[in-house]
Amino acid sequence: EVQVIQSGADVGKPGASVRISCKITGYTFTDLYIHWVQQAPGKGLEWVGLFDPNNDETEYSARFQGRVAMTADTSMDTAYLELINMRSEDTAVYYCAAAPPLEWLSSTLDYWGQGTPILVSA
Amino acid sequence: ENVLTQSPGTLSLSPGEGVTLSCRASQSVTSKYLAWYQQRPGQAPRLLIFGASHRAAGIPDRFSGSGSGTDFTLTISRLEPEDFAVYYCQQYGRSSSHSFGQGTKLEIK
Repeated sequence: EVQVIQSGADVGKPGASVRISCKITGYTFTDLYIHWVQQAPGKGLEWVGLFDPNNDETEYSARFQGRVAMTADTSMDTAYLELINMRSEDTAVYYCAAAPPLEWLSSTLDYWGQGTPILVSA
Repeated sequence: ENVLTQSPGTLSLSPGEGVTLSCRASQSVTSKYLAWYQQRPGQAPRLLIFGASHRAAGIPDRFSGSGSGTDFTLTISRLEPEDFAVYYCQQYGRSSSHSFGQGTKLEIK
C-alpha cells in the first residue's frame, strides 16, 4: 500500500521560509512524480509544481515560480517543498501527491498526503 | 493559458438522485489529460477519473466521466451520503501546468 506522510503544521513570519516534508512508502520513490498543491482557507485547489526525484527535474506553476523550491532526499524517500520569503497569502494547506509518470513532466495525482497547514503570521 | 471552468458552483440534491457536473476548457484538452477529483470535508482530495472516462482503482461504478475537446462531464448515477463533497476537474498534459477547475460543491438538500 502506498502511503504519503507529510510533516506537521508550521508557523512562519512574513519574509521567512518554511520547509514541508513528504515521505513515500510502499512504492519506489524514484519511479514517481511528486506534486505539490496549495489550498488556501475556504478555497479550491491550486497546483504548485512537480518534482522528478529520478533526475531532480522540476516544473513550477508560473504563479509560484521563484517563491517555492522543490527538492528531495532519495536516500530517505522524502520530498520537500520550501516556501520562500513568505507572505500572508501563503497561509494554506499544502498537499503532497504522487503518481507514476504518464509522460515527460505529466501525471495524474494518485496518492495524496494528509496535508500540512502553514500559517504565515507576525 | 487554458482555463477550466466548472459549473454549477454549488448543487443541492438528495441522496438517491443522479447528477452531472460540467467542466469546460477555454481551449481544447486532449481527453487522456483530463481528471476528476473528489474532496470530502476535512480530507485530502482523491482521484476519481483519469483520461476523461477511466475510473481510478476502487472507485464505484456509479461514477462515470465523459467528454472531449472543451466539454467534459462527471456523472454520479445515484448519490450516496458520502458523495456530498467538492469535485474538481484537472488537466495534466505537459503544457497545461496541471491546473484545476474552481470546483463544484454537492450539498445535501
